[in-house]
Amino acid sequence: ILNVEQSPQSLHVQEGDSTNFTCSFPSSNFYALHWYRWETAKSPEALFVMTLNGDEKKKGRISATLNTKEGYSYLYIKGSQPEDSATYLCASQDNYGQNFVFGPGTRLSVLP
Amino acid sequence: NAGVMQNPRHLVRRRGQEARLRCSPMKGHSHVYWYRQLPEEGLKFMVYLQKENIIDESGMPKERFSAEFPKEGPSILRIQQVVRGDSAAYFCASSPQTGQPQHFGDGTRLSIL
Repeated sequence: ILNVEQSPQSLHVQEGDSTNFTCSFPSSNFYALHWYRWETAKSPEALFVMTLNGDEKKKGRISATLNTKEGYSYLYIKGSQPEDSATYLCASQDNYGQNFVFGPGTRLSVLP
Repeated sequence: NAGVMQNPRHLVRRRGQEARLRCSPMKGHSHVYWYRQLPEEGLKFMVYLQKENIIDESGMPKERFSAEFPKEGPSILRIQQVVRGDSAAYFCASSPQTGQPQHFGDGTRLSIL
């Protein structure tokens, strides 16, 4: 059974600040790492899927990196905006492509 | 292209009744995942299905819970003889194949009286 951790649990930043948070996962039997953005009262929205060690993905002001050898991924948000306020979830998938485990999330609040 | 459709959005049941939650995946998606979010907790994987097959049900409680994804029609998550502890939000997600981003439905909020 995978154990996926995320830190910090919550984060408050000022508008315009850049921020980052961490997802750690077991590196053995790794298949893919997913990042999702989950706004209150909505459903999770896929941001990135990463599979290769050293992968770096970018979508607008949000980017993510992946280190499969040590079992961590960083999500970066450049120039945070109030609309970035959400819970950011990572989920790790093992190499059977089946077991899909979410971390507890990082709750980001961007203050105007 | 419609997204993942879940219904009902809200479902109220009395203890001992059956709850049926439906999920229609996105067009072209043959992989369906069910998750449960208990109050004050995160998303927990329940079951992963492809058409007519259960691939991984390691997150499903051993009793009272079952899931299917028939050749025709939506995926169904069935909870028999519901208890108060079944009150939760149940999310369905679909993907075209494993390892691809999952697209989530809006969830079904199940309340047990």
